[in-house]
Amino acid sequence: AQKITQTQPGMFVQEKEAVTLDCTYDTSDQSYGLFWYKQPSSGEMIFLIYQGSYDEQNATEGRYSLNFQKARKSANLVISASQLGDSAMYFCAMREHSGAGSYQLTFGKGTKLSVIP
Amino acid sequence: DSGVTQTPKHLITATGQRVTLRCSPRSGDLSVYWYQQSLDQGLQFLIQYYNGEERAKGNILERFSAQQFPDLHSELNLSSLELGDSALYFCASSRVGVGADNEQFFGPGTRLTVL
Repeated sequence: AQKITQTQPGMFVQEKEAVTLDCTYDTSDQSYGLFWYKQPSSGEMIFLIYQGSYDEQNATEGRYSLNFQKARKSANLVISASQLGDSAMYFCAMREHSGAGSYQLTFGKGTKLSVIP
Repeated sequence: DSGVTQTPKHLITATGQRVTLRCSPRSGDLSVYWYQQSLDQGLQFLIQYYNGEERAKGNILERFSAQQFPDLHSELNLSSLELGDSALYFCASSRVGVGADNEQFFGPGTRLTVL
């Protein structure tokens, strides 16, 4: 069963506007983590933000914030004041425990964000 | 720069051949993870090593194998290559254990093309 769902294959946003990228997840673990990564056209995976399942506050990192709604199992990424350099693929991922002290990431299919000047 | 290095950056080979991808984790990271990113399958976890030992297996084919050496670098071996193995292969590293960082740091990837 798919564990991370990103329902927006592509999104457009005007430069300087805010945009929300959706992510829902499915897990029966009590302890888990949610990540967002950015993949520009050059291919590298860039870590943006992390939210732990027990964190009471929504995570923020500069222009990135994570809107965490645990009961709804959603972890949406909000990018404020979009810049042209934000154009990229964005992946939501969930940490799943795979053994003592170990974990693997399960990724969604991604959302392609295009920032329009 | 994440601190994770991968070589080579690009690899072009023929069907039936065998290749080895190499990864050096960030200094101090004991865990290495391999991922495959293809157009039809997306980003998939393949395998994890921790301090030289296999820790977790994902959707890794039997034709693929990996190992982590005492200096903590890792190699992913792909054999009897098929056209469908063409993909971007990422290595990631993390510290694992009590008080460990929560994120995996990704290398730049190796783009494999099988002709």
